[in-house]
Amino acid sequence: AQTVTQSQPEMSVQEAETVTLSCTYDTSESDYYLFWYKQPPSRQMILVIRQEAYKQQNATENRFSVNFQKAAKSFSLKISDSQLGDAAMYFCAYRSNTGNQFYFGTGTSLTVIP
Amino acid sequence: DAGITQSPRHKVTETGTPVTLRCHQTENHRYMYWYRQDPGHGLRLIHYSYGVKDTDKGEVSDGYSVSRSKTEDFLLTLESATSSQTSVYFCASGHLLNTEAFFGQGTRLTVV
Repeated sequence: AQTVTQSQPEMSVQEAETVTLSCTYDTSESDYYLFWYKQPPSRQMILVIRQEAYKQQNATENRFSVNFQKAAKSFSLKISDSQLGDAAMYFCAYRSNTGNQFYFGTGTSLTVIP
Repeated sequence: DAGITQSPRHKVTETGTPVTLRCHQTENHRYMYWYRQDPGHGLRLIHYSYGVKDTDKGEVSDGYSVSRSKTEDFLLTLESATSSQTSVYFCASGHLLNTEAFFGQGTRLTVV
């Protein structure tokens, strides 16, 4: 089974500043998909951004962008202009192109300081 | 937002009792999943389904069973609940093999 590692259990950022959350994964496959999910205190899992491994261009969604380094098996999430509503648990997830399963990291709890 | 609902949202049950959690989706998604979320472990897959009556085990399937008799419904059963099954349970679904999973609101289960 693939493994997804989030080495930062907790992070904090000042409001309006930029923060980067780290994620690495282990796979022998060449085609796969990567995701970042946000889980606010409401507990709802919300998709933040997705990246297809065959795309060299890093995905961007408004203030959220990723740094996808395929050779290094790294998939970090950058949040720009952090807002109070960004405070949440963030999960990195992997899905292969041939499998049915999603593999999740253990999460990073992000605190936004006013 | 995808229409995925879980019931109940909260449940307290006693050790040794059977428990069934329900997941209902209105998106006609082929794939459905049950995860449990525990501190320090992230989300771990219990069982998943790739079609009506087609299910398979995930990494933490012991003590759990599932059934999918209709596309829209996916049931998770704890045959005899134990305290180690106290957790938050999430149902998720997806349409195509390579898209993201859409999640329900979660069920907090406490086994006393």
